[in-house]
Order: sequence, then C-alpha cells, then structure tokens
Amino acid sequence: EPEVTQTPSHQVTQMGQEVILRCVPISNHLYFYWYRQILGQKVEFLVSFYNNEISEKSEIFDDQFSVERPDGSNFTLKIRSTKLEDSAMYFCASSERGGVGTQPQHFGDGTRLSIL
Amino acid sequence: GEDVEQSLFLSVREGDSSVINCTYTDSSSTYLYWYKQEPGAGLQLLTYIFSNMDMKQDQRLTVLLNKKDKHLSLRIADTQTGDSAIYFCAESIADSSYKLIFGSGTRLLVRP
Repeated sequence: EPEVTQTPSHQVTQMGQEVILRCVPISNHLYFYWYRQILGQKVEFLVSFYNNEISEKSEIFDDQFSVERPDGSNFTLKIRSTKLEDSAMYFCASSERGGVGTQPQHFGDGTRLSIL
Repeated sequence: GEDVEQSLFLSVREGDSSVINCTYTDSSSTYLYWYKQEPGAGLQLLTYIFSNMDMKQDQRLTVLLNKKDKHLSLRIADTQTGDSAIYFCAESIADSSYKLIFGSGTRLLVRP
C-alpha cells in the first residue's frame, strides 16, 4: 500500500540553526499538510498546500516557517532560526483531494525534531 | 471555536469490547476520523465517517456518529493486546483546506 515517507526520523539541531524536514507524499495525491505534536500535547495543524501554493496556515506558521514542493515528489518544511519551543514531532500528510468529496489524509511516521 | 475532546485513558481486558468516545464542536465538520498511534510511530488511519452517516462498520471497528449531540464513538470488538495504542479522533473542517482538528487522544490499555 502506498505510504507517506518522511526523513529524517530524528533531527537534532542547535538553537538558531535552520532545519529542513522532508516528505514524499503518496504519488497521486494533490493536497499536502504539515502538523506538529509537542510532547504530551495535541496534534496541531500548521499549513496546507495545494496547486503549488499555501491554501491555509495556522497562527503557529509564522515567518519562521516555509514550505516548498521543489520537484514532483518532495514536500519540505523549512524552519529558520530554530527555537527551543520548536522541539516536537512533525507530521506530513497528503490526500487525494479536498473539498466536497474530500479523501482522508494519510500521515507519515513523523520527524522528531530536538532543538538543543 | 473548533475543539475536539476525548477521555484520556481506557483500560479493558483482552477479548472485551472497547468504546472510545469523542465530542466535537464545529457543526461544519464534513468527515470525522479515527487514527491510531503506536509508541514511536506515526498516525495510522483506522476509519472515517462522512457527517451525513450515523454508523460505519469495518471488521472489528464500528463507528457511531450522533450529529445532533456532536458525539462520535469507536467500538473495537474482541480487543487484542495489539490494539493497545493511543487513539485520536479528528474532524475535518469544511473551510479552505479541510485541515484536521485533533482530540488529545485516548490511551487504550488492553490487559491480558
């Protein structure tokens, strides 16, 4: 069964450094998402992406964050100048379509980001 | 605002049925989902139900939706030790991106 893959599984970075989290969504999916889960807290929506542009972003997704689909397969989340509070599990998700008749989102196994 | 609530913990004996409950607030929800998370793993889609349905059955899983009360439940029949995990309820909001709003998760412990 096709799946969403995320790399790396664990990233350790010094505070202030930039990190790029990578995701390969399921190949025929068109809608892409990033979520994060701080330890012990809820899974929170960060951003959605469709047709090569952001369709919605949360309050968390400030100027420190950016997303990109650099080619036909990868979907990346960049965090500039990381802070301690960015430590979390970051999940990528994709769905075949959204809107009326939306299809379920399938999640990757996540990248655990640890900021030192 | 958008909010999803779940009880935090459920313990059952192996072979019994488990019922995990969830309440949500947004009446514009289109789909409601159940995801399973095992330790150190990602979010595995278990099942989902469209908001105009009131029940969906998939092998050992039964989802019941009471749209009037905004209450969703997941019943696992013949619960096994391998079902021990955290179960997340999530609603898909009918806005620009159909983002998911998650509950806090219910930790299910299955005792042998």
